[in-house]
Parts: sequence; structure tokens; C-alpha cells
Amino acid sequence: SQTIHQWPATLVQPVGSPLSLECTVEGTSNPNLYWYRQAAGRGLQLLFYSVGIGQISSEVPQNLSASRPQDRQFILSSKKLLLSDSGFYLCAWSQGRDTDTQYFGPGTRLTVL
Amino acid sequence: AQSVTQLGSHVSVSEGALVLLRCNYSSSVPPYLFWYVQYPNQGLQLLLKYTTGATLVKGINGFEAEFKKSETSFHLTKPSAHMSDAAEYFCAVSSSGGYQKVTFGTGTKLQVIP
Repeated sequence: SQTIHQWPATLVQPVGSPLSLECTVEGTSNPNLYWYRQAAGRGLQLLFYSVGIGQISSEVPQNLSASRPQDRQFILSSKKLLLSDSGFYLCAWSQGRDTDTQYFGPGTRLTVL
Repeated sequence: AQSVTQLGSHVSVSEGALVLLRCNYSSSVPPYLFWYVQYPNQGLQLLLKYTTGATLVKGINGFEAEFKKSETSFHLTKPSAHMSDAAEYFCAVSSSGGYQKVTFGTGTKLQVIP
């Protein structure tokens, strides 16, 4: 069966510091991968998605970036965090003909102080 | 363009009572519809989905939803609420089978009162 991992689970970072969040998927190959942000009291905002290694599409221009160095690894990064980057970050995957059904990881709670 | 509206950001029900969470969608083509549940500080878990065929969809944990094209609705129901159902519920729509075109609603927090 497929599983998706995210780490760290929680993170507290000062403004202006760098960020690296990692997501990995097991039990499947060539998945579509997504990064979402969930701010308090708001829905899910799609940040990036990827259909293959090195292929990244951005939905919202901001100081975040994403990379996919391996088939089942998706990384969210920032060079300098802003207060507004605080939130709950979710990674998700989908695959195959059922490409609309997305399966989510456990999330990372990021607090920028 | 596609969109999802969830009516009521907070819903409270008594334990054992009917749960009804409302979702209306907008889509220019036949939609795929989803309900997800999120427990505090956890990811989203798929409850059920509608793609084609039978309009009444049964999911996990006793939940079901009915696709009503004429009303552009996909309301989530459960006959009898349990304390463990307290969570946030998200409705989502996808219009074209594209991996990047899933739009989520803003969520409804369900409180179950003992």
C-alpha cells in the first residue's frame, strides 16, 4: 500500500531564516505531487504541483519554491521566511487514471516568529 | 472555472442526531466531487467521492453523499452522529480530470455535543 510522509511535524523559525520541508511517497511510482498551505480559518491553497522529476508548476507567486529531485520526493523551500508563511503545510499525491483523488500526508505546522 | 461553497463554517449536532453538511459546486463540465475529513493537526482523509454512475455515494465511517445535478449540490450526511465525528470537513470539486484542477471549499467544523 502507498504511504506518504512529511517532516518535520512541527517547526518554529524566525523571520528571515531559510526553510526546507520534505515529503516522500512510498509504494508507488511516478506520482503527481502537490504542496498546499492551510492558514487558520481558511481552506487549502495549492502552492505547487509536479507531474515528474524536475517538473514544477507554481500556482501562487511568493517567496516559496519547490523541487522534486527524485521521483517520490518533493521539497518545499524558502530562502527567507516571512511572518505570513506561518501555517499548516500539506503534501499530497495522486496517480494514474484516478488522478483527481489526492491523498494527503500528516502535515507540517510552521510558525514563523 | 469551478468553485465550491460550503454553507456554514461551524455546525453543531447532538450525539445520535443527523449530520448534514452542505456543499454546492459550480462547474462548466460534469464534475468529480469529493468529501475529505481532517482531524486536528492531521492531514486530510478521503471520506468518499463521486465520479460517474450512482448518485448516492457511500463512504467510510457511515457517511454518504448524494450528487444532485439539478441543485448543483453534494451534501454530506450521516444518520447518527458520534463523538468521534468531530472534525473539519472539506468538499472539493474537479471538473476535467486534470491533476491540478481540484478546488477545495473553506471547510465546515463539526462539533458533536454529548
